[in-house]
Amino acid sequence: DSGVTQTPKHLITATGQRVTLRCSPRSGDLSVYWYQQSLDQGLQFLIQYYNGEERAKGNILERFSAQQFPDLHSELNLSSLELGDSALYFCASSHDSSSYEQYFGPGTRLTVT
Amino acid sequence: EDQVTQSPEALRLQEGESSSLNCSYTVSGLRGLFWYRQDPGKGPEFLFTLYSAGEEKEKERLKATLTKKESFLHITAPKPEDSATYLCAVQAETGGYQKVTFGIGTKLQVIP
Repeated sequence: DSGVTQTPKHLITATGQRVTLRCSPRSGDLSVYWYQQSLDQGLQFLIQYYNGEERAKGNILERFSAQQFPDLHSELNLSSLELGDSALYFCASSHDSSSYEQYFGPGTRLTVT
Repeated sequence: EDQVTQSPEALRLQEGESSSLNCSYTVSGLRGLFWYRQDPGKGPEFLFTLYSAGEEKEKERLKATLTKKESFLHITAPKPEDSATYLCAVQAETGGYQKVTFGIGTKLQVIP
C-alpha cells in the first residue's frame, strides 16, 4: 500500500458527460501528479500540482482540468467525454516538487460508453 | 522531444535465468531516471532513482545501472513473483518546467 488513495475505483459513463476523479496524497507529500494509462500509449503524464499550485503540464487535453485543494487532495475533472478517454487514471504523490520518487495510487478505471 | 525506449517489449525467463532489461533515453536536462514495477491493474511501484552516469542501485534480485544514454535493470536468478511490467521513466527540466516521460515498459514473465 503506497498511502495514496483514489476514488472511485471504477467509473462507467456515457460520451459527452463530465466526471471528477479524486486523489489524496501520502501524508506529508505536497506534490500530486496525474497520469493516464491506456493499452496502446503507456503511462502519459498529465499535470502536476505542488502545494496548491500548478507546477508542470504534460499531454493534458483542454477538456481536462485539475486542482489541488488546501488540504492537498486533488481532483481531476474530465468533461465532454469521448470513447478514447477510456483508460486507467493514476494519481501519484511525492514529498516535494522535484518528483524524484513518486508513489502511485491504485488508479481509477474510467469506461466511456 | 524527450523519448524513452524500452526493450525488449516482452521477456520470458525460466526461474533462475538472469537477464537484463534496457531503457534508452533522449532528453535534455536530465534530472533523474526511475524504474518502476507494475502489476496488472495496479499502480506502478517505485523501485529506484538514478541521477548520474555510473551510478548503480540494488534491491534484492534487482540492480539498476545508468550510462549517459541508457539504463539497465539486471535481474539475477529471478523468481515467478518477479513477473510484472517494468517501467522506466526520465525526468527532465525544460524552460523551468520539470516533466516526467515514461517508456512503454517491458513485460517480464518468469516461468517456474
